[in-house]
Amino acid sequence: DVKVTQSSRYLVKRTGEKVFLECVQDMDHENMFWYRQDPGLGLRLIYFSYDVKMKEKGDIPEGYSVSREKKERFSLILESASTNQTSMYLCASSLSGPMRPQHFGDGTRLSIL
Amino acid sequence: AQRVTQPEKLLSVFKGAPVELKCNYSYSGSPELFWYVQYSRQRLQLLLRHISRESIKGFTADLNKGETSFHLKKPFAQEEDSAMYYCALLDNFNKFYFGSGTKLNVKP
Repeated sequence: DVKVTQSSRYLVKRTGEKVFLECVQDMDHENMFWYRQDPGLGLRLIYFSYDVKMKEKGDIPEGYSVSREKKERFSLILESASTNQTSMYLCASSLSGPMRPQHFGDGTRLSIL
Repeated sequence: AQRVTQPEKLLSVFKGAPVELKCNYSYSGSPELFWYVQYSRQRLQLLLRHISRESIKGFTADLNKGETSFHLKKPFAQEEDSAMYYCALLDNFNKFYFGSGTKLNVKP
């Protein structure tokens, strides 16, 4: 069974801090994704990566960056956290190819004070 | 551009009633569609995908290319079906697009 692990379930940070969210998957998936989940807005893609050191912007990349140095790990970075980045962050991974579903982590609920 | 639309934010039905969660999509290529479910305090998980034409937990979904829809249906809702449901489209570049979600509330 695919395991996607996010390093923290809950995180509280202060405005202006640099915040790192980590995600690890154990199934050798090529693709990894970061979403934020907000009530009424569903899942919005922040960034995704289809290979090591490769990344593409999603729908809402502003204020975020990512890092993928190893295939199994995908990090989301909030360069200077702001209160409007308080949200639930979901990591997902998938194999490439048709009809390959995404597998999600438990999520990190991030609060920026 | 909005690729996946779920028009209902909340759907409340009584136990035993039929349920239909609507999903419409916009995509010029050949769509690959999924339904995901998130139960309270659990991770988002795959419910079903259109290619397999399967029934999972009594749910089915048929891809209607003419109406560009992929509605999720169940003839008799159960209380344990209460959850958040997301429709998703996979494009040709391995990128997923999710709808805004529908919260299903099944009342006893």
